Amino acid sequence: QVQLVQSGAEVKKPGSSVNISCRTSGGSFSTYAVSWVRQAPGQGLEWMGRIVPILGVTDYAKMFQGRVTMTADKSTNTAYMELRSLKPEDTAVYFCAREAAVVGSDPWGQGTQVTVSS
Amino acid sequence: ILLTQSPGTLSLSPGERATLSCRASQSVFSDYLAWYHQKPGQAPRLLIYGASNRATGIPDRFSGSGSGTDFTLVISRLEPEDFGVFYCQQYGHSPFTFGPGTRVDL
Repeated sequence: QVQLVQSGAEVKKPGSSVNISCRTSGGSFSTYAVSWVRQAPGQGLEWMGRIVPILGVTDYAKMFQGRVTMTADKSTNTAYMELRSLKPEDTAVYFCAREAAVVGSDPWGQGTQVTVSS
Repeated sequence: ILLTQSPGTLSLSPGERATLSCRASQSVFSDYLAWYHQKPGQAPRLLIYGASNRATGIPDRFSGSGSGTDFTLVISRLEPEDFGVFYCQQYGHSPFTFGPGTRVDL
């Protein structure tokens, strides 16, 4: 059974960066994309972008371009999402999900709480 | 592609039928439209992909339909565990946008 396990909660200062990991176990990693989605408190889901590990290709949502970097380590089946120049409005739960071209995003990681506060 | 969902909130009782709508601002490529269910404090769970295909392990009381710009999720008989928020997402054209969600209160 495929599982995505994310790194733990983070508390960051404004202007700093956060790096979240997402490790895939129990299934293929490289041949699927990994999407990143965030959810601000009490709000809906916001797609941030994705990476296709086997190709090293990334696709970022416009509002995050220049501030986000998604990478993947095929040797450890782990995807990473770095978000820089953090602002208080980046406070959210960040999810990773395995994405297939036809099937959509399934399964999802458990989420990582990122709190940005001075 | 902007997605709108209606209604914003549904207040129903177990055993009742729920009909949720998702409308896209332009045609969704290959009907790559998914529905997710999210309970408080949990990650979303895929219910339907490709507009009408149930994901693995999803009970048959969930059904999806539609094509182009108009999509529907029907829950034929609500169970107590079906409360929460339902989101649609188009994944045919980047960015893979989500709708704002429909909250189902039981």
